Amino acid sequence: QKEVEQNSGPLSVPEGAIASLNCTYSDRGSQSFFWYRQYSGKSPELIMSIYSNGDKEDGRFTAQLNKASQYVSLLIRDSQPSDSATYLCAVARNAGNMLTFGGGTRLMVKP
Amino acid sequence: GAVVSQHPSRVICKSGTSVKIECRSLDFQATTMFWYRQFPKQSLMLMATSNEGSKATYEQGVEKDKFLINHASLTLSTLTVTSAHPEDSSFYICSARGLLGGTDTQYFGPGTRLTVL
Repeated sequence: QKEVEQNSGPLSVPEGAIASLNCTYSDRGSQSFFWYRQYSGKSPELIMSIYSNGDKEDGRFTAQLNKASQYVSLLIRDSQPSDSATYLCAVARNAGNMLTFGGGTRLMVKP
Repeated sequence: GAVVSQHPSRVICKSGTSVKIECRSLDFQATTMFWYRQFPKQSLMLMATSNEGSKATYEQGVEKDKFLINHASLTLSTLTVTSAHPEDSSFYICSARGLLGGTDTQYFGPGTRLTVL
């Protein structure tokens, strides 16, 4: 079992829809959770970090964390074609420490 | 926001040569930097953790004598791929640990694409 699992996709949504990206992790000691966006040929860009159970909203992005279920998700509202990228879920025992990445989910937003 | 630079952005070299990649944190001091490698259509794989002033910690399966890491200052870490071979061709990405705006997290450099002929 991989430490951090994501559906590789591609996840295809129409423009303006909500994209839902999911991630599960195996280490119950994990305390810090991150979502990165990576465009093809580029390095990852931090979108959201979340440390506590519940929802955290930032603009069109909402991260959701459920430590009991070992589940973290990212919702993208009003999806735009420019959101088309690979989204990487990353988990760490402590903020700033070694990150373990999932395989990424490729999102395609169609005009 | 935090800025991390890498140089060069792209390098092509002959098999058997050595290549040095620099990673700099431009607007913050980074006591810890991380080096990742990403092959096409795969996720990032951590190669090593670099702490300023001490030896790097390598992940299992990563040859420390082949991938030399030096973290001589709080703003600079270097990765040298020695005697590079075609199988070392990959996208090498560094990240720097920083505490900015109260958030302790990693900020990624733009990456270096290495092609070994």
